[in-house]
Amino acid sequence: GAVVSQHPSWVICKSGTSVKIECRSLDFQATTMFWYRQFPKQSLMLMATSNEGSKATYEQGVEKDKFLINHASLTLSTLTVTSAHPEDSSFYICSARLTPADSSPLHFGNGTRLTVT
Amino acid sequence: GQNIDQPTEMTATEGAIVQINCTYQTSGFNGLFWYQQHAGEAPTFLSYNVLDGLEEKGRFSSFLSRSKGYSYLLLKELQMKDSASYLCAVRDSDYKLSFGAGTTVTVRA
Repeated sequence: GAVVSQHPSWVICKSGTSVKIECRSLDFQATTMFWYRQFPKQSLMLMATSNEGSKATYEQGVEKDKFLINHASLTLSTLTVTSAHPEDSSFYICSARLTPADSSPLHFGNGTRLTVT
Repeated sequence: GQNIDQPTEMTATEGAIVQINCTYQTSGFNGLFWYQQHAGEAPTFLSYNVLDGLEEKGRFSSFLSRSKGYSYLLLKELQMKDSASYLCAVRDSDYKLSFGAGTTVTVRA
């Protein structure tokens, strides 16, 4: 069964509004979660690393003021797309490791398809 | 940074074998992963190699040669449900995972 739960699965919003996406680790604590974005027929691109209790680490080219990440607990990280524009339409996926060990593989949530009209 | 290359598409017949190659260039290597992704869904973990050699898991096997910056995923006894995108991902010394663009495998009856 799923070990990482992501909500919502899909969302349609109007340009200029904000959208919040939740990522939860089920039955395990995730001190670190990762947020990826995937455009059609393209690879997953790491956006940021979400660290519980501290600021997220953003990849180069990702606007931290536009993509707000909050990791307030060991089982929940949220990504808020602020003032969304049509070019933000994409598939957003979170991931986490089952164990704190850096060597363990990432498990992904089911993703959120965001469409900005 | 990472530079990961894999073929865009492959087609094979049900019951056959397909090998998906992946080459990479990395500033620091700390493991190679293969994921399966069906259209519109999140990736599912398939295999992990950190040492040279072959890792076998049922119908799927993955091979790694660190000196050559090369890996392959072998899918045996292909089934229709194996039609999907297969992603090669490389982890660096900071434990960040970078993905290739994926190989779309189409299995035909």
